[in-house]
Amino acid sequence: SQQGEEDPQALSIQEGENATMNCSYKTSINNLQWYRQNSGRGLVHLILIRSNEREKHSGRLRVTLDTSKKSSSLLITASRAADTASYFCATDEGGGGNKLTFGTGTQLKVEL
Amino acid sequence: DTEVTQTPKHLVMGMTNKKSLKCEQHMGHRAMYWYKQKAKKPPELMFVYSYEKLSINESVPSRFSPECPNSSLLNLHLHALQPEDSALYLCASSQAGTGPQPQHFGDGTRLSIL
Repeated sequence: SQQGEEDPQALSIQEGENATMNCSYKTSINNLQWYRQNSGRGLVHLILIRSNEREKHSGRLRVTLDTSKKSSSLLITASRAADTASYFCATDEGGGGNKLTFGTGTQLKVEL
Repeated sequence: DTEVTQTPKHLVMGMTNKKSLKCEQHMGHRAMYWYKQKAKKPPELMFVYSYEKLSINESVPSRFSPECPNSSLLNLHLHALQPEDSALYLCASSQAGTGPQPQHFGDGTRLSIL
């Protein structure tokens, strides 16, 4: 399996703090995406970063990509209780078909 | 509310039953996907349809049979399933094409095999 690894597996923080999640993968990629999954719901796309990009921002989210280390990080700033969810990175090797391989996920809990 | 609608939300079936999962989207997407997700695990790709044609089958057992009757609908026909097939089945859609595309997911069908 080419599944990526994420760490930490679980993260518990206080509201207002920043949360950082890391993703490592094994093969060359075309792009990497981050998704959020609330309990009992489907996945929601957060951000897409192409292999020739190093950093991308979207609101309170900041994603970095280091293709030499085959790793990415997702930073959520000023976290809120509503950010409590599982976060998955997903890699696209670019072979066509928009085929995504998801990482193992990080469970984030933001406490009031 | 999600823009990809999956029915039913829950399904309990015996190992000899035949049932179907349905997925519908009206975003004009021409790529649709089925994923299987076990508890506390990431989604695993099962099938990809592009322009209503099956483009990827991730070596899924034949007891799962996908169908894409038109550009808005995607079905997953189930027959003679095993208890280990109990999982959340997620449908997704995206623009088709060669460039990277975010996928839009439904909320899934939670399937239990007795």
